[in-house]
Amino acid sequence: EAQVTQNPRYLITVTGKKLTVTCSQNMNHEYMSWYRQDPGLGLRQIYYSMNVEVTDKGDVPEGYKVSRKEKRNFPLILESPSPNQTSLYFCASSLRLNTGELFFGEGSRLTVL
Amino acid sequence: AQSVTQLGSHVSVSEGALVLLRCNYSSSVPPYLFWYVQYPNQGLQLLLKYTTGATLVKGINGFEAEFKKSETSFHLTKPSAHMSDAAEYFCAVSFKAAGNKLTFGGGTRVLVKP
Repeated sequence: EAQVTQNPRYLITVTGKKLTVTCSQNMNHEYMSWYRQDPGLGLRQIYYSMNVEVTDKGDVPEGYKVSRKEKRNFPLILESPSPNQTSLYFCASSLRLNTGELFFGEGSRLTVL
Repeated sequence: AQSVTQLGSHVSVSEGALVLLRCNYSSSVPPYLFWYVQYPNQGLQLLLKYTTGATLVKGINGFEAEFKKSETSFHLTKPSAHMSDAAEYFCAVSFKAAGNKLTFGGGTRVLVKP
C-alpha cells in the first residue's frame, strides 16, 4: 500500500530535550516536505527536499533541522524544542514538486512543556 | 508573494443542503489551484485540482470547484451535504514561477447537522 509513515504519532516532551520525528514513504517520490499545522494558520512549510542530499528552508524553518540521506526517509529534528513548537506536524511527498499533488502522513502531535 | 484566503473558519450546514466553501488567491500570474480535505485524526488528501483547461473541476465525493480568473476565486461546492463530509477543507495555490511551491489557506471546518 502506498503511504507516508510518520513516527511517533503523539509525543509529549520537555523544553530542550532533542527529538526526531521520522518520515518514510514507499512511493519512490523525489519531493518530500514537512509542515506544521496550527489553528487558523493552515499548514506552513518548515523544510522541503527536492531529492537526496538536496534540502531547503520553507516558510518557518527556525528551530528545525532535516536531512535526506536516502530517497525514502526525511526526518525532522528539533535540537532544542521550545513550547512554541507545540503543534501538529505533517510529512508529505510528491512524485515531483510540480504536480502539486501531495501525499500526506497521518500527522505527529507534539507537545513541548 | 502568493497568498490564499479562505472566508470563514467554520461552516455549519444541514444534511442535504448546499456546501459552499470560499477561496480567493492573490496573484498576477496563472495559478494552479487545489482543494484538500482533512478528516479527523488523518492527514490531508487531495479533493480536486485545477491546472489548465476547463475551469469547472470535478473531484471526489461529489465535490466540484470553479476557477474564476476575473474574481481570483476557486470556490468549492457540493449540492447536497452528507454527514461524512464533516471535515476540515484547505484551499492551496502554487505558481510555476515560484517553483510550484504549495501555499495553503487557513482552512474551513465543516459541521454537518442532521
